[in-house]
Amino acid sequence: DGGITQSPKYLFRKEGQNVTLSCEQNLNHDAMYWYRQDPGQGLRLIYYSQIVNDFQKGDIAEGYSVSREKKESFPLTVTSAQKNPTAFYLCASRPSMGEQFFGPGTRLTVL
Amino acid sequence: RKEVEQDPGPFNVPEGATVAFNCTYSNSASQSFFWYRQDCRKEPKLLMSVYSSGNEDGRFTAQLNRASQYISLLIRDSKLSDSATYLCVVNLFTLTFGKGTMLLVSP
Repeated sequence: DGGITQSPKYLFRKEGQNVTLSCEQNLNHDAMYWYRQDPGQGLRLIYYSQIVNDFQKGDIAEGYSVSREKKESFPLTVTSAQKNPTAFYLCASRPSMGEQFFGPGTRLTVL
Repeated sequence: RKEVEQDPGPFNVPEGATVAFNCTYSNSASQSFFWYRQDCRKEPKLLMSVYSSGNEDGRFTAQLNRASQYISLLIRDSKLSDSATYLCVVNLFTLTFGKGTMLLVSP
């Protein structure tokens, strides 16, 4: 089955800890994206990568970091510098100009 | 002006009703347009792309007005299962999502 997987589905962390969210795709898409969604809000772009070993900041990159060492993988690290990290995090991938596919998301709660 | 604006709703309609959502976008250079559907606590999924000539997929009709920079979605014969949040999405270099319009279809 082709698709995007994110793990874990729910994640709890103490304030001040870094945490890494996993995103893997087997769709052979070049582009991958990370979004954050807060209750009643739209999706906001954190980081995106158009090709392996390259990535760009989105609208709200502060407090986050990413890597793109493999085409299939685009992990997101939420650092302690992110002031309000509790949110629903969505990973997506996309072929050059078509539909964007989303993973099932990770709900991060910082206690 | 916000990049993509939608009425947040909720739109409360009875089964069988016809309902229309509008969306406006600010960047006239936007290249492609989509409607996504998002169920509660789930990821967004593509409902349909929006083409310049307008397009239909079953009970759903999407239209684009480039001159006025707005996109519409019409749902005919609403079903209970249509209850969801509908996201207007505009593509320039990356996709920009509206905050969504919530639809609640009641029996």
